[in-house]
Amino acid sequence: RKEVEQDPGPFNVPEGATVAFNCTYSNSASQSFFWYRQDCRKEPKLLMSVYSSGNEDGRFTAQLNRASQYISLLIRDSKLSDSATYLCVVSRGVPYKLSFGAGTTVTVRA
Amino acid sequence: DAGVIQSPRHEVTEMGQEVTLRCKPISGHDYLFWYRQTMMRGLELLIYFNNNVPIDDSGMPEDRFSAKMPNASFSTLKIQPSEPRDSAVYFCAGGQGALGNTIYFGEGSWLTVV
Repeated sequence: RKEVEQDPGPFNVPEGATVAFNCTYSNSASQSFFWYRQDCRKEPKLLMSVYSSGNEDGRFTAQLNRASQYISLLIRDSKLSDSATYLCVVSRGVPYKLSFGAGTTVTVRA
Repeated sequence: DAGVIQSPRHEVTEMGQEVTLRCKPISGHDYLFWYRQTMMRGLELLIYFNNNVPIDDSGMPEDRFSAKMPNASFSTLKIQPSEPRDSAVYFCAGGQGALGNTIYFGEGSWLTVV
């Protein structure tokens, strides 16, 4: 079983819509959680960290459910520029020992 | 500030040839990582360095792969001999601090072995 699993999508949504997707992780000892964004043919970039109480960054909301071992990302009022692959990343606390999910592809259409 | 700089950005080579990928990390970043990304396997950590010393090379697929970091501002990943299955995007990334978790990727080196 992969340490981090994501629905690959694609999620095709119209501009202005809300889209949400999850990722699950297998190791209950995981301590830190992140969402990275990767545009087509580009490098991954940190989108946001995920905190236990949930957190927002503009139109993006991340939630963590430790009991069920999943992380979610919600994008409100989708923009064309949100089209990308979103990578779920989990760390077990060993510095920089990051496990990347395969990514969820989101396409926002006009 | 300049980000992580990788070269070459694209390389096409024939099977059996030696490939050398280069990375200049962000100044002050004491951790350096080499990742490989393919459609089939996603992002895989190959090796990482701390203060120029290799810490974990368990992700290096086989002896054909080697990595060095002779100083804080330069690292290489070498594949010799290259095989078609090595075709992938190779990312160099950096991080700062022993408690860190955020890493910053270079733009990647797109390798095609024919």
